[in-house]
Formats: sequence, C-alpha cells, structure tokens
Amino acid sequence: EVQLVESGGGLVQTGRSLRLSCTASGFAFGDFPMSWVRQAPGKGLEWVGFIGSKGYGGTTEYAASVKGRFSISRDDSNNIAYLQMNSLKIEDTAVYYCTGEWERNWGQGTLVTVSS
Amino acid sequence: QAVVTQEASLTVSPGGTVTLTCGSSTGVVTSGHYPYWFQQRPGQAPRTVIYDTNYKRSWTPARFSGSLLGGKAALTLSGAQPEDEAEYYCLLYYGFVRVFGGGTKLTVL
Repeated sequence: EVQLVESGGGLVQTGRSLRLSCTASGFAFGDFPMSWVRQAPGKGLEWVGFIGSKGYGGTTEYAASVKGRFSISRDDSNNIAYLQMNSLKIEDTAVYYCTGEWERNWGQGTLVTVSS
Repeated sequence: QAVVTQEASLTVSPGGTVTLTCGSSTGVVTSGHYPYWFQQRPGQAPRTVIYDTNYKRSWTPARFSGSLLGGKAALTLSGAQPEDEAEYYCLLYYGFVRVFGGGTKLTVL
C-alpha cells in the first residue's frame, strides 16, 4: 500500500524558513518524480513544484509564486522528499500535500501558518 | 503561465449523468497534457480518480470515466451517487510544470 506522510508544518513568522518532509513507502520511490501541492484555507489546489527522479537528473521546476523562495530535494536512500520554504509570506499559509507516482497518490497534508 | 478552466459548479440528480470539463488557455487539451481528475470531499485530502486522460485508480468506481471531448479533458459520472458530491479538480501537464483548474463543486440533488 502506498503511503505518503508529510511532516514539519506549524506556525512561523513572515520572513522565516521552514522545511517540510514527505516520507514515502509502498512504491519504488527513486523511480518516480515527487510534487508538492498546497491549498490555502477555503481555496483550490495550487501546484507548488516538482522534482524528477535521479534518472531524469533530479530536475526541479516551481510555480512562479514560489520560484526563488522554495526548493525541493529528495533523499532516495530514505524515501523522503523535502520542501524548503524560505522568506515565507502570509499568503504561503496553506495545507501542503506531497504527491507520489506522478500525481497518483497523495498524503494527508501538513498545515503551514505564516503570521506577522 | 497557462490557465486551466473548469465549471464552477454543477448539479446532478441521483442516478443521473454529468460531464465536467477541463480546458486550457493554450488551446486544445491533448493526451500529452496527461489530464488528471481529483476528488476532494470536505475536510479530506484530494484523491486521484482519473489519470493520464482515462486511467482509473483501484478505488475509482466504474461510474467515473475520463476522456477528451471537444478540445477539453472530460470527466463523466454516470449514475451519480450521494457520496459523489464533492469538489473535483483537474490537472494538466505543461512539460514539467503542472497547472490545476479552479475546481468544480458537484452537487448531487
């Protein structure tokens, strides 16, 4: 059974940093890209970014709204994907989900609240 | 960045059929956009209903089907059930970049 578990969310002040983790199991983690998606309170889904598998050079790509502030990395030895969030803004407040096996599987999400 | 469009809301009667669509500001939606459809019930995480245009997950009821229709991606629900009431989001790939639609609130009434 595929499982994706996000962790690392919490309350943080504007301008600070936070790192989220996504621990995966139940599939060949290293063979697949991983993505991060967020959902602000009462809003729709927003794609945040993606990291390709090592076989595709671990390419990363980001939404315009987070490019230059957020970065995604992966640890294939431990089946973990990371989302490093810097220079956080109020509008980054959201539930953050990771997805695996392209976007076929989702975690339960972790809430990030950015306050002034 | 491309804009992906969905109906804001739709209503279907129990047992009825409804089609949700997903369009792209860049033109015709093709299989190369690898259309996805996600269902999200209130308070729950999204889950994938359809991927790569028309492939189902193991938990996807047979009453859901995906297709390309009139230049858009489409999700058809045949024989709607009360538990199908939810928000439905489509996702399109633009190379490595993904873009979500704004979501369709489906009411079964």
